[in-house]
Amino acid sequence: GIQVEQSPPDLILQEGANSTLRCNFSDSVNNLQWFHQNPWGQLINLFYIPSGTKQNGRLSATTVATERYSLLYISSSQTTDSGVYFCAVLGGTYKYIFGTGTRLKVLA
Amino acid sequence: SQTIHQWPATLVQPVGSPLSLECTVEGTSNPNLYWYRQAAGRGLQLLFYSVGIGQISSEVPQNLSASRPQDRQFILSSKKLLLSDSGFYLCAWSEIAGSREQYFGPGTRLTVT
Repeated sequence: GIQVEQSPPDLILQEGANSTLRCNFSDSVNNLQWFHQNPWGQLINLFYIPSGTKQNGRLSATTVATERYSLLYISSSQTTDSGVYFCAVLGGTYKYIFGTGTRLKVLA
Repeated sequence: SQTIHQWPATLVQPVGSPLSLECTVEGTSNPNLYWYRQAAGRGLQLLFYSVGIGQISSEVPQNLSASRPQDRQFILSSKKLLLSDSGFYLCAWSEIAGSREQYFGPGTRLTVT
């Protein structure tokens, strides 16, 4: 099956810093999503991005499907950005496969 | 707009007791429905998915089962809980066609003692 790897596994930033999170996948995928899991466990949709680039405020994402990776950029990080970031790819028709996540802590 | 509900939010159950977690979706018809489990500090593991009433696919052999008695209702059950069933259980839905973007409920935190 498709393998999804995320890096780095852990990241500590000072407030205001920028960061790049990476998601590599081992095969062609139909869809790709980025999620933020907040400290209460809620998974929040950030981007649906099977290819191309999207931006939403301080966050942006790029997926290069032909090279099997996606990047999530966080600019001017805030303490509320802390949590775990997951990418998930749709392998087949119904089954999403999640990466192991990047745990981000932003210090005030 | 679509919303997804899960209950209860937290649950503490003794080993060997039964389990029933419920998930309902509002504002959409014939969604794909999913149950995931997340162990502490780990990623999400897909347990079951359903593409229609009474249609359940199991991803991981275990003592859990799922049912979909109505179009927008998804239930996770166990007859006898194990300590290893502790975790955070998340329900999700997606459209049956189109982008199939997934949306998650607030989750149920289960502790088996």
